[in-house]
Amino acid sequence: AQSVAQPEDQVNVAEGNPLTVKCTYSVSGNPYLFWYVQYPNRGLQFLLKYITGDNLVKGSYGFEAEFNKSQTSFHLKKPSALVSDSALYFCAVRDEGSGGGADGLTFGKGTHLIIQP
Amino acid sequence: DAGVIQSPRHEVTEMGQEVTLRCKPISGHDYLFWYRQTMMRGLELLIYFNNNVPIDDSGMPEDRFSAKMPNASFSTLKIQPSEPRDSAVYFCASSFSGVGRSGNTIYFGEGSWLTVV
Repeated sequence: AQSVAQPEDQVNVAEGNPLTVKCTYSVSGNPYLFWYVQYPNRGLQFLLKYITGDNLVKGSYGFEAEFNKSQTSFHLKKPSALVSDSALYFCAVRDEGSGGGADGLTFGKGTHLIIQP
Repeated sequence: DAGVIQSPRHEVTEMGQEVTLRCKPISGHDYLFWYRQTMMRGLELLIYFNNNVPIDDSGMPEDRFSAKMPNASFSTLKIQPSEPRDSAVYFCASSFSGVGRSGNTIYFGEGSWLTVV
């Protein structure tokens, strides 16, 4: 079985400071890892993904995430936070060998990111 | 591309009434997903289709819920009869199983906000 954990319900960061939103995962095979962002009253928007290759993945809005196989982590980062980054962030994982296409994606419970002016 | 299109965006209905939610996936995508999001349970996968065929409906809460995909560009999620506990945001999402930049990534619609009173 695969699972993903977002250990923090909420992360508070001052504007201009670096931010990190944590995610750890568990899969039996190789992971496909994703980050999504949800703004209030909106759908989930795809930010970035790791499939294979470089461990550092760059995505939308200046976000990046680092795949760490030994720590089974895929933390989301941004060097300088903006107030507009305040939203709900979801990490998701699927096992490379789980079915076809993108079925079998498991989402974390989400982390509220609050950027304080 | 217009993205995943859902309707209605907001629906308020009385208990016992039938509710039909509609979805148009991204053109060319071969997977379609229905998710439900609530504060208590987070994001739940209800059912998904591959090439218009239902693959896994184990997340459908009970027989009052049904979903169809008559063709590659349209799907419905129906609740009959509706109950107050069905109040939630229902997301439709789609993905493409092939290789390439967008492969294996699930793209979400803006959601249908359902309130059953």
